[in-house]
Amino acid sequence: GENVEQHPSTLSVQEGDSAVIKCTYSDSASNYFPWYKQELGKRPQLIIDIRSNVGEKKDQRIAVTLNKTAKHFSLHITETQPEDSAVYFCAAPNAGGTSYGKLTFGQGTILTVHP
Amino acid sequence: DTGVSQNPRHKITKRGQNVTFRCDPISEHNRLYWYRQTLGQGPEFLTYFQNEAQLEKSRLLSDRFSAERPKGSFSTLEIQRTEQGDSAMYLCASSLGQGANTEAFFGQGTRLTVV
Repeated sequence: GENVEQHPSTLSVQEGDSAVIKCTYSDSASNYFPWYKQELGKRPQLIIDIRSNVGEKKDQRIAVTLNKTAKHFSLHITETQPEDSAVYFCAAPNAGGTSYGKLTFGQGTILTVHP
Repeated sequence: DTGVSQNPRHKITKRGQNVTFRCDPISEHNRLYWYRQTLGQGPEFLTYFQNEAQLEKSRLLSDRFSAERPKGSFSTLEIQRTEQGDSAMYLCASSLGQGANTEAFFGQGTRLTVV
């Protein structure tokens, strides 16, 4: 099965700085890598995802990069704002068998943006 | 609200009692997942349905847990003889597609507290 490792576990930045969260995965057949943001007491919400046919994807202040050779992908948040404070999870799917689409999540990163 | 809906939002039960949770996925989503999330951790996979067929159960799912999706629409998760270790957030997610790279949308979750 898939194994996903996420670092760092906590990240503290000043408003306006950039934040980077990194994940590694084990299943070389995985081809879809979502990032979820979870605020306290709320559901995980998809914020950006990337498929393996591209190396980078941007959506306003957030971007995700993928290195399939090294089996790692990263979330980049620029010009951070206090409302970016949340727990961020990376995930990767099981790409084969009967588990198509089942997501394995990283351990999460608690991002705190100080005003 | 056309998102994934879960009921109840909160459940407090005494140890040894049975509980049942319901998940209504996004209409026409063929895939439905149950995850469990404890404080400070990422969601952990419990079970997966494609239409009405339960295709995988995690080793985390003991014999006290059972899930159904009788008509390929809503799903129920039942926990029999609850234990304090069952206390967690139970999240349901749904997605549409056949491959591994499909977006999963989460419900608000059911927070279970076993006292």
